[in-house]
Amino acid sequence: ETGVTQTPRHLVMGMTNKKSLKCEQHLGHNAMYWYKQSAKKPLELMFVYNFKEQTENNSVPSRFSPECPNSSHLFLHLHTLQPEDSALYLCASSQQDSGNTIYFGEGSWLTVV
Amino acid sequence: GESVGLHLPTLSVQEGDNSIINCAYSNSASDYFIWYKQESGKGPQFIIDIRSNMDKRQGQRVTVLLNKTVKHLSLQIAATQPGDSAVYFCAENGETSGSRLTFGEGTQLTVNP
Repeated sequence: ETGVTQTPRHLVMGMTNKKSLKCEQHLGHNAMYWYKQSAKKPLELMFVYNFKEQTENNSVPSRFSPECPNSSHLFLHLHTLQPEDSALYLCASSQQDSGNTIYFGEGSWLTVV
Repeated sequence: GESVGLHLPTLSVQEGDNSIINCAYSNSASDYFIWYKQESGKGPQFIIDIRSNMDKRQGQRVTVLLNKTVKHLSLQIAATQPGDSAVYFCAENGETSGSRLTFGEGTQLTVNP
C-alpha cells in the first residue's frame, strides 16, 4: 500500500471511446502528478497540480484532460486516443510541488485499440 | 542539455552477491537525489534518498553514494535477493527542471538463484 490509489488498474478502450483514470492519495500531500511510462523510456511528466491548481502542462495533447477537484483526488479524462497512447499512466503525490520525494501509485495500464 | 542517465541497462547478479547500480547526472545544481525500485506490473517505489550535503547514506541493505565531483550516484544492495529483481532508476531535482524530479532510464536488475 503506497498511499496513492489508482483505478482502474487495467483499461482497454477504442479510439472513439471516452474514459477516465482516477487517483486518490491518502498522504495529506498538496501536489499531485500524472506521468506516462512507455516501454524503454524514462518517465514522462504530463501534468502537475499544486493545491488544486495546475502548475504544469508538459505539452500534452488535448485528448488528455486532467481534473483536480481537491488536493486528494486527480483524474485523467481520455477521449479519441491513439494506439501510441497505450502505456502505463502513473499518478503520484508529494508534500509540495518541487524539491520533495514523489510517491507513486501502482499505475493504470492503458491499451488503445 | 541536462540529463540523468544510468550507465548500464541491465545487471545480472548471483543471489547473495552485492549489487551496484550507477547513475550519472549532468546538472551540477542538483541537490536532492532519489533511488526508486519498480517491480514488474507495479509503480515505482521509493528506496532511499540523499541530499548534496552528504556523500553516503545507508538504509536497510541499501547504501547510496554521491560523488559530486564527477556527478555520479550509485546504489549498493547488500546480499542481493531474488525479491530485489526489478528496474532501478535514479531521480534528481536540479534548478533547470524547476526543482521537479528528473528520472533516469532505469537499470534492470536480475538476481539469479
